[in-house]
Amino acid sequence: AQSVTQLGSHVSVSEGALVLLRCNYSSSVPPYLFWYVQYPNQGLQLLLKYTSAATLVKGINGFEAEFKKSETSFHLTKPSAHMSDAAEYFCAVSDGGSYIPTFGRGTSLIVHP
Amino acid sequence: EAGVTQSPTHLIKTRGQQATLRCSPISGHTSVYWYQQALGLGLQFLLWYDEGEERNRGNFPPRFSGRQFPNYSSELNVNALELEDSALYLCASSSQQGTDLFFGPGTRLTVL
Repeated sequence: AQSVTQLGSHVSVSEGALVLLRCNYSSSVPPYLFWYVQYPNQGLQLLLKYTSAATLVKGINGFEAEFKKSETSFHLTKPSAHMSDAAEYFCAVSDGGSYIPTFGRGTSLIVHP
Repeated sequence: EAGVTQSPTHLIKTRGQQATLRCSPISGHTSVYWYQQALGLGLQFLLWYDEGEERNRGNFPPRFSGRQFPNYSSELNVNALELEDSALYLCASSSQQGTDLFFGPGTRLTVL
C-alpha cells in the first residue's frame, strides 16, 4: 500500500522568503511522485513529477522538488515566494501497479507581504 | 484545447436524495478518475473508468457509483445522500494508464 504524509497543514512565509513544503511517502515499489497546486475554487494543476529519472525535478512557476530515497521524502521548494503562490499544495504518490495517485491531506501556503 | 469540464458547478441536495455529477474529459483521453475532496481530508480516490469499464474503486460504499459513456464522458451517482457526502468532487482524465492526470474544476455538493 502507498501513502503520503504532508507535514504541516499550513505554512506561512513572507514574500521573497524560501518556500519549503514537506512530503514523505511510503511505497512498496519505486514510486512516481507528484506535486499539485490548487488555487481557490479551482481544480488541481500539476506542478512537477518524479518518474525515476533525475532526482532533482524542476516544475512550473519556479518550484522544484528533490527525491531522496533514503529519507523517503519529496519536499517542494521555491527560493523566493510570491504573493501569487498562495494556494493549497498536494503531494501524491503512485506505484507501477494501479497508477492511481494517492494524495496527502494538503498544505495551505500563506504568503505575507 | 479545452480542459476537463464538470457540471454542475454547485449542487444542493437534502439527505436521502440522489445526486448526479457529470464530467467531460479532455479530447482524446479515455481514462476518467473521480476523487472526493472533503474538508481537511485531502483527496480520496473514488472510481476509475477506462474505455467504458470500471477499472478500480476506492474505499467507498456501493451507493457511490458511476459509468463511462462511449464518448468517454462520465457520470458519478451518489444515492441516499448523507450529510458527510458534502464535499468537492473532482474529475480527472488521462490519455492512458500511467500518464498525467488533468483535473477539472470540481462540483461542490452540499447535503442539507
